[in-house]
Amino acid sequence: QVQLVQSGAEVKKPGASVKVSCKASGYSFTGYYIHWVRQAPGQGLDWMGWINPKSGDTKYAQNFQGRVTMTLDTSISTAYMEVSGLRSDDTAVYYCARGYCSRSSCHPAYYFDYWGQGALVTVSS
Amino acid sequence: QSVLTQPPSASGTPGQRVTISCSGNYFNIASNTVTWYQQLPGTAPKLLIYKINQRPSGVPDRFSGSQSGTSASLAISGLQSEDEADYYCASWDDNLSGWVFGGGTKLTVL
Repeated sequence: QVQLVQSGAEVKKPGASVKVSCKASGYSFTGYYIHWVRQAPGQGLDWMGWINPKSGDTKYAQNFQGRVTMTLDTSISTAYMEVSGLRSDDTAVYYCARGYCSRSSCHPAYYFDYWGQGALVTVSS
Repeated sequence: QSVLTQPPSASGTPGQRVTISCSGNYFNIASNTVTWYQQLPGTAPKLLIYKINQRPSGVPDRFSGSQSGTSASLAISGLQSEDEADYYCASWDDNLSGWVFGGGTKLTVL
């Protein structure tokens, strides 16, 4: 079965960086986009961007450009999302999600069919 | 401020039918199909409805979606206590070349 298992909770100081991992299993990792979505405490969902595990191409949401980097290690079917220059308002749960693919195509505009369990990042001095 | 607009809350009694609206614009809902996610307390979002009105395996047919113009809605019939959750609409936005979400609707089963 498809599973996305994320790394554990982190506590960071303002200005630091954090790298969250998302390990995929149960499907061909390079065949599906990985998206990252953030949820601040008590708030809604905020899309951060996607990475194509086949090509390594990335697209970041405007709000996160310049501070977010998405990478891969295809040898272990794992995607990473790093946020630099952390601020207190980066305190949130960070989710990875798999983008759906049809039999014939994949596109970042296709919905998310599986989600990781989330990783809480707390930014506090 | 979310790009898609949802009511912050909705409620109903067991057995009732409840609808949750989602409003967008030409670049998102009017040009792409809406997806709905259910987030039970303390858990990750889960795919509920895709391609307007398709349900993944395991989602009861009490859940249905519709879409017209720049708006979409989620209907839940035969409301049950386990439906108490946050519901989010989402759509691809052609102008932003990315995904946009509604602010979420907290459904309370009275």
